[in-house]
Amino acid sequence: GAGVSQSPRYKVTKRGQDVALRCDPISGHVSLYWYRQALGQGPEFLTYFNYEAQQDKSGLPNDRFSAERPEGSISTLTIQRTEQRDSAMYRCASSGTRRMHDTQYFGPGTRLTVL
Amino acid sequence: EDQVTQSPEALRLQEGESSSLNCSYTVSGLRGLFWYRQDPGKGPEFLFTLYSAGEEKEKERLKATLTKKESFLHITAPKPEDSATYLCAVQKTDSWGKLQFGAGTQVVVTP
Repeated sequence: GAGVSQSPRYKVTKRGQDVALRCDPISGHVSLYWYRQALGQGPEFLTYFNYEAQQDKSGLPNDRFSAERPEGSISTLTIQRTEQRDSAMYRCASSGTRRMHDTQYFGPGTRLTVL
Repeated sequence: EDQVTQSPEALRLQEGESSSLNCSYTVSGLRGLFWYRQDPGKGPEFLFTLYSAGEEKEKERLKATLTKKESFLHITAPKPEDSATYLCAVQKTDSWGKLQFGAGTQVVVTP
C-alpha cells in the first residue's frame, strides 16, 4: 500500500532500555509528524520535520526523547532509558507539501509497553 | 491556554437516528479545524478541513460546519458502519505543523 508505515507495530521493553521507533512516510511527502496517543485520548503532538529539518520539537516531553529524519524520508523516534510512563501508542503522520501542511495522513502506530 | 473540547464523550444511536457532535475551541489564531475518524486499532483517518466561520463540508452522511467558537459534525441517518471515534483538531496560524486534538466522541450505531 501507499500509506504511512510504522515499525515495529508492537514493542515491549524493560524499564531503562532504549527503543527506536521507525516511520516510513507516504512517498514524496515533505513533512513528517510524531504524536503520542493515550487510551481514550486524541493524539498529542511531539515533533515534526520539513524534509530533514526538525521544525518544532516543543512537544517532546523531556530530553530522553529525540527524533531524526536524516535524508528527509524515513524518521526514527528514539526514547532513551525508558520509563513505565512512556507506555503509549506512538503515531506518525505525513503531509504532502511544505507550504500547506494541511492534511496529515496517519500510520497505524507503534504500541510501546514498558515493563 | 489553548483548548479543544469535544462533547459528548460517547453517543449511542439507533440506525437512522441523526445527531450532532460538538467541538468547541479556544485558540488564538485559528488557521484550520480538522475532523478525523478513528476505528479501533487504527490510525486517525482524515475527513474534513474547515478554514473560516460559515464554511460547511459534506461527505456521504457527514456534514461539518464551523463557527468562530465551535464546529459541529452532523451525522444524518447513520448506519452501523459509521460507528467510530470522531476526533477534531485545531491548527494555529503560528504553528502550522502542529495539530491539537480533542479527546474525541465515541459513536456507536446499533441496527
